[in-house]
This record gives sequence, structure tokens and C-alpha cells, in this order.
Amino acid sequence: QVQLQESGPGLVKPSGTLSLTCAVTGGSISNSNWWSWVRQPPGKGLEWIGEISHSGTTNYNPSLKSRVTISIDKSKNQFSLKVISVTAADTAVYYCARDLDAAAAFDYWGQGTLVTVSS
Amino acid sequence: DIVMTQSPDSLAVSLGERATINCKSSQSLLYRSNNKNLLAWYQQRPGQPPKLLIYWASTRESGVPDRFSGSGSGTDFTLTISRLQAEDVAVYYCQQYYSPPPLYTFGQGTKLEIK
Repeated sequence: QVQLQESGPGLVKPSGTLSLTCAVTGGSISNSNWWSWVRQPPGKGLEWIGEISHSGTTNYNPSLKSRVTISIDKSKNQFSLKVISVTAADTAVYYCARDLDAAAAFDYWGQGTLVTVSS
Repeated sequence: DIVMTQSPDSLAVSLGERATINCKSSQSLLYRSNNKNLLAWYQQRPGQPPKLLIYWASTRESGVPDRFSGSGSGTDFTLTISRLQAEDVAVYYCQQYYSPPPLYTFGQGTKLEIK
């Protein structure tokens, strides 16, 4: 059973950098799946941030592309998210998720981690 | 830009009755390479991550009760929950995939409550 777990600081200062890691257990990150980040502002809907393949190819939401980097560390079986120049609008629960092969849907999700942008 | 519209925003249904949620895309979600509609449905209970219910518009994820069903093709899709149970109280989201460039977009969500 694949499990995902997000980790990282829960508080980031405005104009700073948000950094999160998603540890994958119960399966290899080096298989054919893609791996995504999705966020949800408090009380609001879901927004896809971007994805990375096992080979390191990335796709980003155009609305965030200029500020986001997703990377993968196969030796640690984890992938990471960086968002630069954050503002209060980046306050959200951040989820990592696995893309279900060929289905363009997310079958496994982490529990999510709340990141608050505040001074 | 491709636009996804989910309706209604909220819905109250009696236990044992049917709930219907709709999703409409501004462009066809039929992926020609595999003849599948790239539309998924999720359930999100309070404090929990979303749970995948349906993918390819009508394929039920493993372990999802058969009272959940998806239908539709092209631009118009429906999630139906028959015989509503108390545990179905949640927010439901549709999600589309469109390329190029690759982009996943979620509907705004439908809050389902018991009447």
C-alpha cells in the first residue's frame, strides 16, 4: 500500500520560500507514475500546482509556473516542492499525490500540511 | 482558457434518496489516443485529503461502493450517489485533465448534506 507524507515548515514569512518534501513509502518513486502537488486554501477548493515524472520531467500550472520548482530524489524515494516569493495568498494545505497511470487522476494522497504565510 | 463549471454549489438530500452533481467543461475531455474522457470525481470529508471515487468519467476506483456512479462524455458529466448514507456527507469535486500543455483543473466543489 503506497503512502505519502508531507513535511516542512508550517510558517513562512512573506517574500520567503516555501519548501516541502513528500516521502513515499510502500512503493518506488522510480516506477512509471507521475507525482503531483495540490494545494487548498482554508475553506476553498483545490488547485493543482505541478507534477514530476520518475525521470525528472516536470509540468507546472501556468498560474504558478514562474515561482514553482518540483524536484525528485530517487535515492530517498521522495519529491519536493519549492515556491518562491510567497504571499498570504499562498497560505494553504499542501498535498502531495500520485498520478494514476493513464487515468489523469490522483489515486493516493498525503494527509496534507498547512503552510501559513505570515510575518 | 479551459473552464470547468460544477453545480450545484450545495445540495441537501434525504437519507436513502439520490444525489446528482454536474460538471461541465468548456472543451471536450475525450482523449483521442485512448478514447477515454479524462474526468475524475473525488470525495473530501472534513479534515481529510480528497479520495478518488471515479476516473475516466465512469470507472469506479477499487473499493468504492457501487452506489457511486459517473456518467457523461465530451463536455458534460454527472456524479450520482444513489441511496444516500450519512457517511456520504462531504464536499465533492470534479477534476479534468487537458493537454497541451498538461493541466489539471478542479471544479469549485459541491457540499452535500443530509436533509
